[in-house]
Amino acid sequence: DAMVIQNPRYQVTQFGKPVTLSCSQTLNHNVMYWYQQKSSQAPKLLFHYYDKDFNNEADTPDNFQSRRPNTSFCFLDIRSPGLGDAAMYLCATSRDLAGFTDTQYFGPGTRLTVL
Amino acid sequence: AQSVTQPDIHITVSEGASLELRCNYSYGATPYLFWYVQSPGQGLQLLLKYFSGDTLVQGIKGFEAEFKRSQSSFNLRKPSVHWSDAAEYFCAVAPLSGGYNKLIFGAGTRLAVHP
Repeated sequence: DAMVIQNPRYQVTQFGKPVTLSCSQTLNHNVMYWYQQKSSQAPKLLFHYYDKDFNNEADTPDNFQSRRPNTSFCFLDIRSPGLGDAAMYLCATSRDLAGFTDTQYFGPGTRLTVL
Repeated sequence: AQSVTQPDIHITVSEGASLELRCNYSYGATPYLFWYVQSPGQGLQLLLKYFSGDTLVQGIKGFEAEFKRSQSSFNLRKPSVHWSDAAEYFCAVAPLSGGYNKLIFGAGTRLAVHP
């Protein structure tokens, strides 16, 4: 039944050690998003893919990268995690980019701890 | 800049009591408006959304929300809260233009329900 799956649910990494978070979807949606949610803060959009087109938010640090090898999978790479990158990372999908008519479906998130 | 304010960080209600969660937005024009719920360990789930038309919107799980243009508000209500409603609630807006479904979230309101 799971539609948006994130692995792992909890990830611990060391300061400066690259880490990859995974998201997969069974909805065959065109759009996949990555959000960062720090403790007691609102989720903040990092970037999204529309099919293979990558769209970075202007204020997303270069330390964050993403890959989408196929429709089902999308990865978030953090090249050199800092203590400030500890957060919940949420993946979401939508069928298209039509705004109101397309609901975003969220995964359960990956909680990243940086030691 | 666009922003969403949820003035109440934590709310506690008794089971069976009525609930109102506040949301105010700052935007040049009426954006798309959403309420999401996040249960512990789960992803965000859409409760309801508004763009135009009837200002009282019905959602899932017995929730409704009322849009008030004069107050730039989109408050979420439920007449009788159940223990299973304990969760975090996020109000979000999306701009009418921009070509994609960019959600801007409030910081959330954590709801606790007393038996």
